[in-house]
Amino acid sequence: NAGVTQTPKFRVLKTGQSMTLLCAQDMNHEYMYWYRQDPGMGLRLIHYSVGEGTTAKGEVPDGYNVSRLKKQNFLLGLESAAPSQTSVYFCASSYRAPSGQPQHFGDGTRLSIL
Amino acid sequence: DAKTTQPPSMDCAEGRAANLPCNHSTISGNEYVYWYRQIHSQGPQYIIHGLKNNETNEMASLIITEDRKSSTLILPHATLRDTAVYYCIVRTSGTYKYIFGTGTRLKVLA
Repeated sequence: NAGVTQTPKFRVLKTGQSMTLLCAQDMNHEYMYWYRQDPGMGLRLIHYSVGEGTTAKGEVPDGYNVSRLKKQNFLLGLESAAPSQTSVYFCASSYRAPSGQPQHFGDGTRLSIL
Repeated sequence: DAKTTQPPSMDCAEGRAANLPCNHSTISGNEYVYWYRQIHSQGPQYIIHGLKNNETNEMASLIITEDRKSSTLILPHATLRDTAVYYCIVRTSGTYKYIFGTGTRLKVLA
């Protein structure tokens, strides 16, 4: 069972470069999420999606864009990377919220911006 | 979403039960309590969740007080592999967002 798969696992960028992080889930989940985690802190929500073609802002959306063109994929983009975006990025997915279904997380992408 | 309060760290002897407390005094009637853990900065691993009743699965038990203002996660026989940061999260049914705190760092001692 693959679950939630994130690519790449590691990446080093220079300030001003752009890149896209890919999240794929094979559980037919409607909802998908992107979080970031900084040292010693819990996860903070960047953007989320409640279905194909929809996205919404979370707690810390600035500097990021997202797209959900297919139900199974959720892309996180950095248009012009900044050192403050050095972090570990986690993707998660879940079934519809009303039944209390938990989110399932990927193993993360470790991103360093020099 | 209700805020949660957890102790920053706890120790537990290997083979003993680990009891991790969480306060969520502002919880409302339709908010679930979730527990996750994170080992070595891997992705958070789902453990258990509940609304009103106590819950048990193959990993742990969740005890929710009658007034729902606090809960306890119980790992019945802690092993060294249970050393991790444990997060207690409260999420409103029908919303999409988890609000993570800083969790409890559990260290299981040999």
